[in-house]
Amino acid sequence: GAGVSQTPSNKVTEKGKYVELRCDPISGHTALYWYRQSLGQGPEFLIYFQGTGAADDSGLPNDRFFAVRPEGSVSTLKIQRTERGDSAVYLCASSLGNTGPVETQYFGPGTRLLVL
Amino acid sequence: GQQVMQIPQYQHVQEGEDFTTYCNSSTTLSNIQWYKQRPGGHPVFLIQLVKSGEVKKQKRLTFQFGEAKKNSSLHITATQTTDVGTYFCAGPPGGSYIPTFGRGTSLIVHP
Repeated sequence: GAGVSQTPSNKVTEKGKYVELRCDPISGHTALYWYRQSLGQGPEFLIYFQGTGAADDSGLPNDRFFAVRPEGSVSTLKIQRTERGDSAVYLCASSLGNTGPVETQYFGPGTRLLVL
Repeated sequence: GQQVMQIPQYQHVQEGEDFTTYCNSSTTLSNIQWYKQRPGGHPVFLIQLVKSGEVKKQKRLTFQFGEAKKNSSLHITATQTTDVGTYFCAGPPGGSYIPTFGRGTSLIVHP
């Protein structure tokens, strides 16, 4: 595809529910990142995939958050027992993944999650 | 952990005035990246600086990376209303693939 896509664009859920957010990276990009952005803040790193494996999940706030990328392309961020504090825009970004730390990240439009 | 600070948080300018935002990291960075986010949009990559003391220009935008690779600045000459948005710096500490983003500087340009 032309760019990173994310679905849904908006998600409203109730406290305690489970949600899944999907990211489809740029074709050929092996690196994929999930970020969370709250109002007035910069993107906050959650997890980084290189291929199918989570190379760094140090940003996940707690064990309610989990992400997978089973075939090295599409990724799903899963949030269990959602809390009101999880409300934010969840951004996905991808990069080539083969040129070291000096890489351009391409962001998707984000999923705006609202937990009531 | 690493902290990246940006000042100012907000900047109002009249169209045609210059604008500068500053980025400071608590640790040495392997590189610094700048992004622009329009209201309601997502971050869009602007540029990346890698070398100590590096200066790069994109039309009216000038980016600098400090000698110690711990600070950076973005300067816009003669702002236009299309420059409106939030400008973020982001940099991974040495050896890391994970950039830490600053809180951003929101630029408001009054016509």
